[in-house]
Amino acid sequence: GMPVEQNPPALSLYEGAESGLRCNFSTTMKGVQWFQQNHRGRLITLFYLAQGTKENGRLKSTFNSKERYSTLHIKDAQLEDSGTYFCAVEPNNMGYKLTFGTGTSLLVDP
Amino acid sequence: NAGVIQTPRHKVTGKGQEATLWCEPISGHSAVFWYRQTIVQGLEFLTYFRNQAPIDDSGMPKERFSAQMPNQSHSTLKIQSTQPQDSAVYLCASSPRDWGYEQYFGPGTRLTVL
Repeated sequence: GMPVEQNPPALSLYEGAESGLRCNFSTTMKGVQWFQQNHRGRLITLFYLAQGTKENGRLKSTFNSKERYSTLHIKDAQLEDSGTYFCAVEPNNMGYKLTFGTGTSLLVDP
Repeated sequence: NAGVIQTPRHKVTGKGQEATLWCEPISGHSAVFWYRQTIVQGLEFLTYFRNQAPIDDSGMPKERFSAQMPNQSHSTLKIQSTQPQDSAVYLCASSPRDWGYEQYFGPGTRLTVL
């Protein structure tokens, strides 16, 4: 399938800090979904976007299909934000077939 | 709402044995998906059902792997003659629609083939 690249591969933040994660893809997509995978391995749904921007508490995500990227911004990082963050894109021709990115491993330190 | 339920959470099999993994989707969700996660390959799509009908199994290894959805409340993924390279976390997800909506994932089944 088409590659979905995430940057950075790993990130370390102190509590209270903020940062952005980026997801790049090679073709236009129908939608994007962001997940946090916690220490137990559970994939927790954060956002689904077909366009534009969504915000939920300390998290904010943007999807720009034309420019072929999506971002996830975390502000006021907390210890429980640690985990691996995946973006997954819906291809235009088979929207159900999520293609996952390579992930960003986030560690939040006190 | 208990979310997507997967059983067992862990399974260890010997090489050549059969493994059956179970998934109970969220009630009312018409779309059910299976994915596999490994360190090397990451998260990969395996197969997808809509209203219990198999729609796309393009991600399934052609031999030894099969998936069924006999009723709206559960799906199974069966691996015959398991091999060490089948070791992975197998994830089931469900959604109210095929696309354009969140897919909700279960906790996964960690399969270890010795």
